[in-house]
Amino acid sequence: KQEVTQIPAALSVPEGENLVLNCSFTDSAIYNLQWFRQDPGKGLTSLLLIQSSQREQTSGRLNASLDKSSGRSTLYIAASQPGDSATYLCAVRPNDYKLSFGAGTTVTVRA
Amino acid sequence: NAGVTQTPKFQVLKTGQSMTLQCAQDMNHEYMSWYRQDPGMGLRLIHYSVGAGITDQGEVPNGYNVSRSTTEDFPLRLLSAAPSQTSVYFCASSYSGQGTYEQYFGPGTRLTVT
Repeated sequence: KQEVTQIPAALSVPEGENLVLNCSFTDSAIYNLQWFRQDPGKGLTSLLLIQSSQREQTSGRLNASLDKSSGRSTLYIAASQPGDSATYLCAVRPNDYKLSFGAGTTVTVRA
Repeated sequence: NAGVTQTPKFQVLKTGQSMTLQCAQDMNHEYMSWYRQDPGMGLRLIHYSVGAGITDQGEVPNGYNVSRSTTEDFPLRLLSAAPSQTSVYFCASSYSGQGTYEQYFGPGTRLTVT
């Protein structure tokens, strides 16, 4: 059974600092990995999707890397802003359809 | 496009009552799924569908039924509500175009069972 872990559970940084969020998974036989953002009381918004054959994906200030062999992905957010405060979730899609989610990292960016 | 829509946004049920959570998508996605989100546990897959007329169980299917008669709609039925089903429920859809299966989520239904 795929286990997905996100450490730390919570993170507080001053505005302007770079954010590094970690995601680890136990089974490297994945199809892709997706990072989401969730604001309080809201649904999930897709940030980046990395296919198993890719090493990284970038969108604006966001960059996600994937090391499938070691079961790790990292989400980098450059020059954080208070508007980046949210919970960030990673989800792993194995070769069947059953997505496995981590419990998330809650980020607070202090102005 | 409205994307993935869910109704109701909030619901309070008494133990033993039944209800249906509605989910619809207008993106012609073939894959749809239901998750529940509980504090500290992440999202867990309840049921999913790979196309109209085809459904399968996820990680936590007990106490829930689904059907998929059209591509657009994927309702989730609670047969006899229990306090353990108090949770936030999310519906998601995805498609196999370009081989990505990127997931799109609805806004959620917050359910309380007393």
